[in-house]
Amino acid sequence: AQSVTQLDSHVSVSEGTPVLLRCNYSSSYSPSLFWYVQHPNKGLQLLLKYTSAATLVKGINGFEAEFKKSETSFHLTKPSAHMSDAAEYFCARSGGTSYGKLTFGQGTILTVHP
Amino acid sequence: NAGVTQTPKFRILKIGQSMTLQCTQDMNHNYMYWYRQDPGMGLKLIYYSVGAGITDKGEVPNGYNVSRSTTEDFPLRLELAAPSQTSVYFCASSYQGARTDTQYFGPGTRLTVL
Repeated sequence: AQSVTQLDSHVSVSEGTPVLLRCNYSSSYSPSLFWYVQHPNKGLQLLLKYTSAATLVKGINGFEAEFKKSETSFHLTKPSAHMSDAAEYFCARSGGTSYGKLTFGQGTILTVHP
Repeated sequence: NAGVTQTPKFRILKIGQSMTLQCTQDMNHNYMYWYRQDPGMGLKLIYYSVGAGITDKGEVPNGYNVSRSTTEDFPLRLELAAPSQTSVYFCASSYQGARTDTQYFGPGTRLTVL
């Protein structure tokens, strides 16, 4: 079965320092991979997605992620955290169905300290 | 262009009551989805629809029903509410349900069953 594992349930950083949120996926043919962000009491917003084009994907608000097939990873990074980045982040994959089902990781809560 | 809208935002139900969660999208998307989000569990797919009149079960369909009479609307019905259905419910839509398609999410309905 397809799965997505987010390796950290909580990440805490100081404002201005780099952010790394880790995501591994179960290996299968040509997955599409997504990162969504959820601010408190809000819906999910797409940050970026990988669809088998460039392996380094740039998203909104300075985030980027690199698809590494050999490591089955799709980690999310940002060079410098901002207070407004504090939120919950979800990694998800699609593929293997005819209806675009997304399989989500458990989520990572990012806290940004002043 | 409102995207995906959901009503109500919050609801408290007593055990055994029923209710309908409303979802509407104005993007002319063919595919629509209902997910539930439980703390630390990511999102799980309840039901999905590939077009008006066509629906199917996702991972966790027990206790729920759906219908899709129009392209825009995809209501979720809870019959005989149980405490295990306390959750946050998200509706989403995508254009074709392809593995590369972005799913757009509504703001969610927070449901408590007491």
